[in-house]
Amino acid sequence: IQLTQSPSSLSASVGDRVTITCRASQDISSALAWYQQRPGKVPKFLIYDTSRLQSGVPSRFSGSGSGTDFTLTISSLQPEDFATYYCQQFNSFPFTFGPGTRVDIK
Amino acid sequence: QVQLVQSGTEVKKPGSSVKVSCKASGGTFSRYAISWVRQAPGQGLEWLGGFIPILGTADYALRLQGRITITTDELRSTAYMELSSLTSDDTGVYYCARESYRGNSDWPDGFDIWGQGTVVNVFS
Repeated sequence: IQLTQSPSSLSASVGDRVTITCRASQDISSALAWYQQRPGKVPKFLIYDTSRLQSGVPSRFSGSGSGTDFTLTISSLQPEDFATYYCQQFNSFPFTFGPGTRVDIK
Repeated sequence: QVQLVQSGTEVKKPGSSVKVSCKASGGTFSRYAISWVRQAPGQGLEWLGGFIPILGTADYALRLQGRITITTDELRSTAYMELSSLTSDDTGVYYCARESYRGNSDWPDGFDIWGQGTVVNVFS
């Protein structure tokens, strides 16, 4: 299963609403997770089962979708949210990652 | 608090092998399932393989099959990833990550705890 993400990068300002798309090459039901990786840091688990927030993740993060099309939304971008975001599917092996979307400061 | 602590930086010659360890502290290691992920310099995340308890075995990324072996030593609470026939394309940061299972589910839904990463540098 291949995952694509769009855009590959974006520039946004603090307070902006940001949406990142992840598309799967075949139906993965809701078996999608999202991660955030700040430069030089370990990835952080944000969302599982498409839309469920991992414990401790701020509520400004949300996920939606099903089948092949998924989105990660940050409702009001904060300074600590500037990072690269990856989707990953858990429908079947191998547990592929998307190529990532980098969110930069405008 | 559960932590995964990985072994240190490795510098290897092309054609050699590397074995990275990932030691768990806190919790019951026998209930952990560990996957391995790598990140080439400036690149994205790549799942290398992982152990799925319901399968009782590890599964590996297709392009690494034959070169990668993932094992666990429950007595030492440690997981290992060994990669052979190294080339410069294997240079990067290697992470171990704990697979997340909810309730009675026997299938993971994410990687909730990550090791700090191990740098593997392959050059002649």
